[in-house]
Amino acid sequence: AQSVAQPEDQVNVAEGNPLTVKCTYSVSGNPYLFWYVQYPNRGLQFLLKYITGDNLVKGSYGFEAEFNKSQTSFHLKKPSALVSDSALYFCAVRAPFSGGYNKLIFGAGTRLAVHP
Amino acid sequence: KAGVTQTPRYLIKTRGQQVTLSCSPISGHRSVSWYQQTPGQGLQFLFEYFSETQRNKGNFPGRFSGRQFSNSRSEMNVSTLELGDSALYLCASSLVSGESSYEQYFGPGTRLTVT
Repeated sequence: AQSVAQPEDQVNVAEGNPLTVKCTYSVSGNPYLFWYVQYPNRGLQFLLKYITGDNLVKGSYGFEAEFNKSQTSFHLKKPSALVSDSALYFCAVRAPFSGGYNKLIFGAGTRLAVHP
Repeated sequence: KAGVTQTPRYLIKTRGQQVTLSCSPISGHRSVSWYQQTPGQGLQFLFEYFSETQRNKGNFPGRFSGRQFSNSRSEMNVSTLELGDSALYLCASSLVSGESSYEQYFGPGTRLTVT
């Protein structure tokens, strides 16, 4: 079965420090991987994706993510956190070559709290 | 370019009633997917429509249905509402479906409360 795990319910980090939000996945074939962010009472906002190629992908608002095939991980990173980064972050996987089309499988989400 | 729009934004219904939610995708996008978000189950895929055809369906009862029109706008319907249907319903649009690498863009959601 295809699944995504975000092992931390919440991540706390001080403003200006680097942050990492963890994600591991289990899916057959070559997955497409995504990170989305959700602010209160809002929909999901696309941050970045990994399709193929360079294992380090850069996205919006200074975020980047590192794909590791051997560890089946896709951790979200940012070198210097801002208070405004505080939100709910979702990792998602799509398995288009397994008949998944545009179906996204989401992790449970990680709440990021950046303290001044 | 305007984003994904969903109407209404908030809805209160009574058990046993039915409800229809609407989604207008980004101009030019032909794929529309629906997701249910609840505190207990998280984000769960309901179904995807592409060129007026249902492409994929999640594990939800038949009370949940949808359709897509020729202009790519989509509606989802929930009949015989249950308390457990209270959720944020999110619509996402993408340029195409299938094996493309295009990402999906989400609307602000419709908050449905069933009393």
